[in-house]
Amino acid sequence: GQQLNQSPQSMFIQEGEDVSMNCTSSSIFNTWLWYKQDPGEGPVLLIALYKAGELTSNGRLTAQFGITRKDSFLNISASIPSDVGIYFCAGQDRGSTLGRLYFGRGTQLTVWP
Amino acid sequence: EPEVTQTPSHQVTQMGQEVILRCVPISNHLYFYWYRQILGQKVEFLVSFYNNEISEKSEIFDDQFSVERPDGSNFTLKIRSTKLEDSAMYFCASRALPGAGERPTTDTQYFGPGTRLTVL
Repeated sequence: GQQLNQSPQSMFIQEGEDVSMNCTSSSIFNTWLWYKQDPGEGPVLLIALYKAGELTSNGRLTAQFGITRKDSFLNISASIPSDVGIYFCAGQDRGSTLGRLYFGRGTQLTVWP
Repeated sequence: EPEVTQTPSHQVTQMGQEVILRCVPISNHLYFYWYRQILGQKVEFLVSFYNNEISEKSEIFDDQFSVERPDGSNFTLKIRSTKLEDSAMYFCASRALPGAGERPTTDTQYFGPGTRLTVL
């Protein structure tokens, strides 16, 4: 199956700093998604990307769908303590009938006040 | 805002026992999914379901697993004879049909809070 490599695995930053994380895959996806997971909760959608080259923002979050369709990045600007959590990239398989998702291993973000 | 709900939040069972995990998808959604996440690892796809049939399943979803939509609201995952390695968070997700509205609503899978399954 498709392999997603997400980096970095963890980040420790100070409040106010910007954050960048990325995902690369072994195959092409038709949709890239970024989710955030808080402890004991399910993944919550942050941003969805549908076209190669697409750049989308959601408040302080910005994500891009790579031109090769095999990568995506997520930036968080001016981080705040509530940004703490695990961020997952996910690719939607274009060969899958109902859009099976493949997830990266996650980036654990810690924000110090 | 409508959301996916799951019960129970935590299930503890003995190895070899059957468990049923329950999900109530968002009411106008017709595509349903189960994923699992072993502690500290990534979320993995198990199965997708539409129109009372399995659409796709992963290699994890073997004969011990089954899914059912017993009525108009519930979507269940049954594990017939649990193994230690089945211990994980199990997430249900649902998605609207294409054309049901604006993106990302129609293309996005919305996840429930999960059921933590512990097999002893």
